[in-house]
Amino acid sequence: EAEVAQSPRYKITEKSQAVAFWCDPISGHATLYWYRQILGQGPELLVQFQDESVVDDSQLPKDRFSAERLKGVDSTLKIQPAELGDSAMYLCASSLALSAGNEQFFGPGTRLTVL
Amino acid sequence: AQRVTQPEKLLSVFKGAPVELKCNYSYSGSPELFWYVQYSRQRLQLLLRHISRESIKGFTADLNKGETSFHLKKPFAQEEDSAMYYCALSGGGGRRALTFGSGTRLQVQP
Repeated sequence: EAEVAQSPRYKITEKSQAVAFWCDPISGHATLYWYRQILGQGPELLVQFQDESVVDDSQLPKDRFSAERLKGVDSTLKIQPAELGDSAMYLCASSLALSAGNEQFFGPGTRLTVL
Repeated sequence: AQRVTQPEKLLSVFKGAPVELKCNYSYSGSPELFWYVQYSRQRLQLLLRHISRESIKGFTADLNKGETSFHLKKPFAQEEDSAMYYCALSGGGGRRALTFGSGTRLQVQP
């Protein structure tokens, strides 16, 4: 069964360093989401792509975060420089299309710890 | 602004007891409501969505627009139902991203 892949699964970094996360959605899924989940909270959207275009990045801290999906397939989320408050689980999800009731499929997440 | 509230962080019941996980939402329009579940060491997955009006693993949820609620119910809890449950809302138009509640951990004791 096809699944969303993410790497790395765990990342420990020091404050002010750069980190990057990778996501490979289910083949054929046009819509890709990056969420951040802080311990004890639900996931919160960072950025949404439709193919290679950004649909919503209103909650992305653009001074330090960037995201791209150059060929409309896999995606990279980057943080530079990392701050202590960025410690969280970063989840990638994909869905077939932007239509009502479309199920989002989640990856296993990347757990980031900033020291 | 859209918001989802799950008032209980932890719900503990005995096997065979009824379960109700509460979810209230705030949204100025016609939202789509979902329940997602995360079992231990597994990824987040869809449990059910209101537009399907289906029962999955014995769970049901009815959208009550008057009370802006979408509570998850099961008449007889099983130990394998122990997991983290998230209520989520999706708005209309081109923004289908989910707004999640903070989650409720369900513990079903033997």
